[in-house]
Amino acid sequence: NAGVTQTPKFQVLKTGQSMTLQCAQDMNHEYMSWYRQDPGMGLRLIHYSVGAGITDQGEVPNGYNVSRSTTEDFPLRLLSAAPSQTSVYFCASSHGSIYEQYFGPGTRLTVT
Amino acid sequence: EDQVTQSPEALRLQEGESSSLNCSYTVSGLRGLFWYRQDPGKGPEFLFTLYSAGEEKEKERLKATLTKKESFLHITAPKPEDSATYLCAVRLYSGGGADGLTFGKGTHLIIQP
Repeated sequence: NAGVTQTPKFQVLKTGQSMTLQCAQDMNHEYMSWYRQDPGMGLRLIHYSVGAGITDQGEVPNGYNVSRSTTEDFPLRLLSAAPSQTSVYFCASSHGSIYEQYFGPGTRLTVT
Repeated sequence: EDQVTQSPEALRLQEGESSSLNCSYTVSGLRGLFWYRQDPGKGPEFLFTLYSAGEEKEKERLKATLTKKESFLHITAPKPEDSATYLCAVRLYSGGGADGLTFGKGTHLIIQP
């Protein structure tokens, strides 16, 4: 099993550009989530999904959209990138929210 | 406000010198406490889950314990490869808010040979 995969590993955007961060898992997990990690702060929940077709907002959802059309994939969209979205983004998955989550390798995003 | 606090922020030990990391939480209803290890440039790696006070889990040189207000990660006779940032997270869902993990800022552990 590949586990949780994320692409790209690195990305540089200009302010106002849009992009999609990809996340996929091959463990048949129902629960998937996106976090961002910034220096001096803990990981913060952006959006999560408890199953295909179901998504909900986390602690810091503004500026991000998600969708979950399949069990395997959970892309994160930035519609109009801002410098404040410069961060490292992690996708995670688990059998359910009460269980341990398995994290991907991360995408380092810089917005100039 | 629900909060997770880890201490110390950084810890430098000699190889073989045992110590403990602390994670304290102020929550209205704990639904699970999780420990992760994170190496530079990598995603967090799952270590332990604890659900109720008094519970303990062990793995090699690591042992996690849980009380009603805090958790400890005990490291016995550490080796240089144990150097990493250790993250604590709690699940806080109580029926009305976001159903995810709230993380502490981590403890950066360095084991010197």
